Amino acid sequence: EVQLVESGGGLVQPGRSLRLSCAASGFTFDDYAMHWVRQAPGKGLEWVSGISWNSGSIGYADSVKGRFTISRDNAKNSLYLQMNSLRAEDTALYYCAKDNAAPVTGEFVYWGQGTLVTVSS
Amino acid sequence: QSALTQPASVSGSPGQSITISCTGTSSDVGGYNYVSWYQQHPGKAPKLMIYEVSNRPSGVPDRFSGSKSGNTASLTISGLQAEDEADYYCSSYTSSSTPWVFGGGTKLTVL
Repeated sequence: EVQLVESGGGLVQPGRSLRLSCAASGFTFDDYAMHWVRQAPGKGLEWVSGISWNSGSIGYADSVKGRFTISRDNAKNSLYLQMNSLRAEDTALYYCAKDNAAPVTGEFVYWGQGTLVTVSS
Repeated sequence: QSALTQPASVSGSPGQSITISCTGTSSDVGGYNYVSWYQQHPGKAPKLMIYEVSNRPSGVPDRFSGSKSGNTASLTISGLQAEDEADYYCSSYTSSSTPWVFGGGTKLTVL
């Protein structure tokens, strides 16, 4: 059974940093691209970042470019999101999502339950 | 404002069919066949229902179908059931600097 478990969320002040993690199991992690998708409270979905199976292809939403960094450790079956210079508008539930293929296709086949990030002073 | 436009809400009675539209441009929906649809029940993670415009993942009932015409994609649910009541989001690849975008979401109410 595919499982994606996010962690690392919490309350953080504007301008500070946070690192999210996603532990994957139930599938061959390095066979698939992975993504982060967020959802602000009561709002819709927003794609944040994606990374191909071998980290050779990485993309970011304009809203986080230059502030967030996605990475993965295939040996640890883990996906990460380093978030710097956090803003109030980054407040959201952050989902880890498995792609449908090794290169990035943007088809989010499985989702974790999310980790909540709240940016507030 | 979302890059893809969806109606805020649609409704239907059990057994009926409904269609949710997702309108973009030639730079996203109209230009590529990478349109997906997601179902999200309250407090739950989204679930992939349709990918590549009209393909259903295994386990998704064939009551759910997808199509595209020009810059508008559509999700049709036939034989509505109470458990179909949820929020639905479309997404598409786009040639803009943010490669994947979602619609604003549509709340489906089963009357």
